Amino acid sequence: EAQVTQNPRYLITVTGKKLTVTCSQNMNHEYMSWYRQDPGLGLRQIYYSMNVEVTDKGDVPEGYKVSRKEKRNFPLILESPSPNQTSLYFCASSFKGQGLYEQYFGPGTRLTVT
Amino acid sequence: AQSVTQLDSHVSVSEGTPVLLRCNYSSSYSPSLFWYVQHPNKGLQLLLKYTSAATLVKGINGFEAEFKKSETSFHLTKPSAHMSDAAEYFCVVSDRTGFQKLVFGTGTRLLVSP
Repeated sequence: EAQVTQNPRYLITVTGKKLTVTCSQNMNHEYMSWYRQDPGLGLRQIYYSMNVEVTDKGDVPEGYKVSRKEKRNFPLILESPSPNQTSLYFCASSFKGQGLYEQYFGPGTRLTVT
Repeated sequence: AQSVTQLDSHVSVSEGTPVLLRCNYSSSYSPSLFWYVQHPNKGLQLLLKYTSAATLVKGINGFEAEFKKSETSFHLTKPSAHMSDAAEYFCVVSDRTGFQKLVFGTGTRLLVSP
């Protein structure tokens, strides 16, 4: 089954404790992206990757890191989480094609930072 | 720069009556436009997409949307609402410059009463 998976689905952590949210897709997509969803703000892009070893900042990259060492995986790293990073996070992937292809979304990771 | 404006944060309808969710977009380039749906505690699912073929686009579950360039609109409609349509709906724009960045609207929550 074609899908995007994220782990963990739920995470409660404390300020400053490094964490990684994993994202994996099995559709051989070149493009992958991370979004955060906050009430009243819709989804905002954190980082994206056009292919292996090619990543770039989205609209809200502060406090986040990513890496793309393999085509299928695109982990999101919070090196020192803060309470304002409490949010619902989505990973997405698609074929690369100048905005013509829809993005497939993972099920989301709900992160709470206390 | 691209943007989308969803004109209603909440829309309430009765089961069996028509649904209209309004979206206006702004894009410097010829846009691709999408509607995604998010059911409670679920990920995002593509409803339909416009990529410059037919201006009237049919999607899943009886939804459709019409691209109107003169009005810069991409409203989502359905002739008859079902209880299962209750969800949050996002209008999304993507330009075709090659970066595939999705810009989300702030969402419209559709409430369906019996």
